[in-house]
Amino acid sequence: KNEVEQSPQNLTAQEGEFITINCSYSVGISALHWLQQHPGGGIVSLFMLSSGKKKHGRLIATINIQEKHSSLHITASHPRDSAVYICAVGIDFGNEKLTFGTGTRLTIIP
Amino acid sequence: DGGITQSPKYLFRKEGQNVTLSCEQNLNHDAMYWYRQDPGQGLRLIYYSQIVNDFQKGDIAEGYSVSREKKESFPLTVTSAQKNPTAFYLCASIGQGSTGELFFGEGSRLTVL
Repeated sequence: KNEVEQSPQNLTAQEGEFITINCSYSVGISALHWLQQHPGGGIVSLFMLSSGKKKHGRLIATINIQEKHSSLHITASHPRDSAVYICAVGIDFGNEKLTFGTGTRLTIIP
Repeated sequence: DGGITQSPKYLFRKEGQNVTLSCEQNLNHDAMYWYRQDPGQGLRLIYYSQIVNDFQKGDIAEGYSVSREKKESFPLTVTSAQKNPTAFYLCASIGQGSTGELFFGEGSRLTVL
């Protein structure tokens, strides 16, 4: 069983819809990362969370340490949000080995 | 702008050949990582280095080798011993302390002919 589980695996939505991607993990962590991978393959860090909630533009990330669960929300989704979203968890804060989820493929239809 | 540069972006190799993938960063990060990405799987750790002249095996190190002679550089060699080297390879580094932000290169796609 993968230590990091993401759902859904694939998500297709209409432009403007509110999007939620979920990440559950089974180990104690120091930090959780949300990453975005575009079709070209490069990966960009969206958020690093150790508690609570963070917001950047239309993206919001939350984490519940007790429930070992994090969500990534996208408001007013746009076709340019189409990408694979990856959750990764780290054990030791700072210099850490990360465990990655398999990703959620999001497609936003105009 | 600070970041990670990987090269080449695409590489073709004949069976039995060693190839080296370059990874250079100007972020002044101590910790650097090599990951392999295959379709339908999460990124898997090949090797990582937390300081110059030191590196550790990750989960799938067999058939790979690395060096860390300079803080900025962490090249990965895919040797002929790697049974299934066709994959997408990503180099990453992570900030220290309270930031801990993860940075990735653009990746190198290796195809064995």
